[in-house]
Amino acid sequence: EMVMTQSPATLSVSPGERATLSCRASQSVSYNLAWYQQKPGQAPRLLISGASIRATGIPARFSGSGSGREFTLTISSLQSEDFALYYCQQYNNWPLTFGGGTKVEIK
Amino acid sequence: QLQLQESGPGLVKPSETLSLTCTVSGGSISTTSYYWGWIRQPPGKGLEWIGNIYYSGSTYDNPSLRSRVTISVDTSKNQFSLKLTSVTAADTAVYYCARLVTTVTIFDYWGQGTLVTVSS
Repeated sequence: EMVMTQSPATLSVSPGERATLSCRASQSVSYNLAWYQQKPGQAPRLLISGASIRATGIPARFSGSGSGREFTLTISSLQSEDFALYYCQQYNNWPLTFGGGTKVEIK
Repeated sequence: QLQLQESGPGLVKPSETLSLTCTVSGGSISTTSYYWGWIRQPPGKGLEWIGNIYYSGSTYDNPSLRSRVTISVDTSKNQFSLKLTSVTAADTAVYYCARLVTTVTIFDYWGQGTLVTVSS
């Protein structure tokens, strides 16, 4: 099973600042990596697939990069609505697996 | 606008079977472009993929749960279902149904989720 490790577990950022989240795979997943945002009491929302392709309606301040084993989600200027949990998910191999999540909180 | 809605008991006794149904509206479940899947999230924890099904009935499931999981589809009702047998407290979670794009196996639409508690 592909293990996805996200870091840090919690990221404290001030509004307007940049947030950088990391996701590492135990083996290469090529570009087969997605990012989701989850707010309290809500279902996850797809942000990015193919490591860097924003989903429909996702603001340009969200960007993804990386390939192979190392991936990054960058939020260029944090807005109040961006404080949430973020998960990565690999779809290179079955079973589909998620990272443990990074909580982005207000500093 | 596609919508998915989970339904089923919110409380299940240990050793019994958890049964949930996901009703899809605003689109047909009988499409070649998508799988239909289940994901769960224990309280305060991360996401775990349970399995998914194609409209034809072919399934993929997580080996960690395979012996206890059955996923089925009813195209006439535009629904798919999850059964998880021999539940324990560790199966307490919010259960989500979702749509997966077949070409990239990502979850692009999600239900709101339903909390299932395993307790006597």
